[in-house]
Amino acid sequence: DAGVIQSPRHEVTEMGQEVTLRCKPISGHNSLFWYRQTMMRGLELLIYFNNNVPIDDSGMPEDRFSAKMPNASFSTLKIQPSEPRDSAVYFCASTWGVGSYEQYFGPGTRLTVT
Amino acid sequence: GENVEQHPSTLSVQEGDSAVIKCTYSDSASNYFPWYKQELGKGPQLIIDIRSNVGEKKDQRIAVTLNKTAKHFSLHITETQPEDSAVYFCAVYNTGTASKLTFGTGTRLQVTL
Repeated sequence: DAGVIQSPRHEVTEMGQEVTLRCKPISGHNSLFWYRQTMMRGLELLIYFNNNVPIDDSGMPEDRFSAKMPNASFSTLKIQPSEPRDSAVYFCASTWGVGSYEQYFGPGTRLTVT
Repeated sequence: GENVEQHPSTLSVQEGDSAVIKCTYSDSASNYFPWYKQELGKGPQLIIDIRSNVGEKKDQRIAVTLNKTAKHFSLHITETQPEDSAVYFCAVYNTGTASKLTFGTGTRLQVTL
């Protein structure tokens, strides 16, 4: 199994630009999670999908952040416009069933906004 | 909401020694407690988990103990090796409410030769 795939692995952009992060969950998994990791705040859940439907988006920090899951094998996290404080590592994780059991994390996307 | 505290934040041990990382939580209804290992430049990886009907679980050199009354659980690594060097996160989950997984703040373990 290829595991959770994220792209790009690194992204450097200027403040105000749109950023799109991509995730392919493990085949057969029907729950997908987007996390943000920073030194100050640790691992934060941003949004959680089950069967392609957003279940909990209470962690999405602002309207500048949006996430979609058009099908079972693809999800995007978009930041528009980006700000320097959005700099972090963004992880996608997936699992089967409803809930947070045994989440499998991708390698992450390191985002730097200058 | 759930509050998870993890100690210590950094831990340095000599190869072959044991390492213990402790976590406490606030919601007595929480019933699933996984531990994740994060190596540099990688995502967290589940290494062991325990459910509330079990007091201890062991997998080779790693073990987790749970004290539901005191609301704390611990990760034990015996015979540490350099490849055990990483950041370890505990997490807490309530399967009844299907709430989000709440992570501890992490422990950076350094195994020295």
